[in-house]
Amino acid sequence: GQNIDQPTEMTATEGAIVQINCTYQTSGFNGLFWYQQHAGEAPTFLSYNVLDGLEEKGRFSSFLSRSKGYSYLLLKELQMKDSASYLCAVTDSNYQLIWGAGTKLIIKP
Amino acid sequence: IAGITQAPTSQILAAGRRMTLRCTQDMRHNAMYWYRQDLGLGLRLIHYSNTAGTTGKGEVPDGYSVSRANTDDFPLTLASAVPSQTSVYFCASSESADGAMSYTFGSGTRLTVV
Repeated sequence: GQNIDQPTEMTATEGAIVQINCTYQTSGFNGLFWYQQHAGEAPTFLSYNVLDGLEEKGRFSSFLSRSKGYSYLLLKELQMKDSASYLCAVTDSNYQLIWGAGTKLIIKP
Repeated sequence: IAGITQAPTSQILAAGRRMTLRCTQDMRHNAMYWYRQDLGLGLRLIHYSNTAGTTGKGEVPDGYSVSRANTDDFPLTLASAVPSQTSVYFCASSESADGAMSYTFGSGTRLTVV
């Protein structure tokens, strides 16, 4: 079966750095997405990785290792507004998007 | 503002009733999707449409139907609602169905079936 694993919940301190991991087992791979979802709101796109390596976008970076079936989202200089759920999603060989259950990130002052 | 509009925002529905959730986009995206999101579970695909005039079944299609008469509209119908269909429903779209394009989501419909 297809599976995406993320930690259910993480806690971090304002101003710090946090890394949210995602491991996947899917039938084929055609890209990996990270989305942010604030409570009661719709998911919004953060990043897309299709090749191995690190993609940096401001305070957020996303890393991919296809051989290990592994990705992480790195958030630097955490702000209170970063409190949200972070969803990992993988496009499989049929170009269907498979979603993880999301990681709820709690930022403390 | 370009995007996706969903209606209603929330609804309480009696079991056995028929209900249509509306979704309209103005970005001329080819592909559209309906998801349900339940606590502790990832987004689960109900139905999708790769282009106007075509639809397909997702992971959890039972009890739901869709139509795609034109590019902009993608309504989701519950023929006879049951309590297990209580959920938050998100409509989404992407430029294409090749899996490489990011999705834009509507603000969601919170449905409670009693």
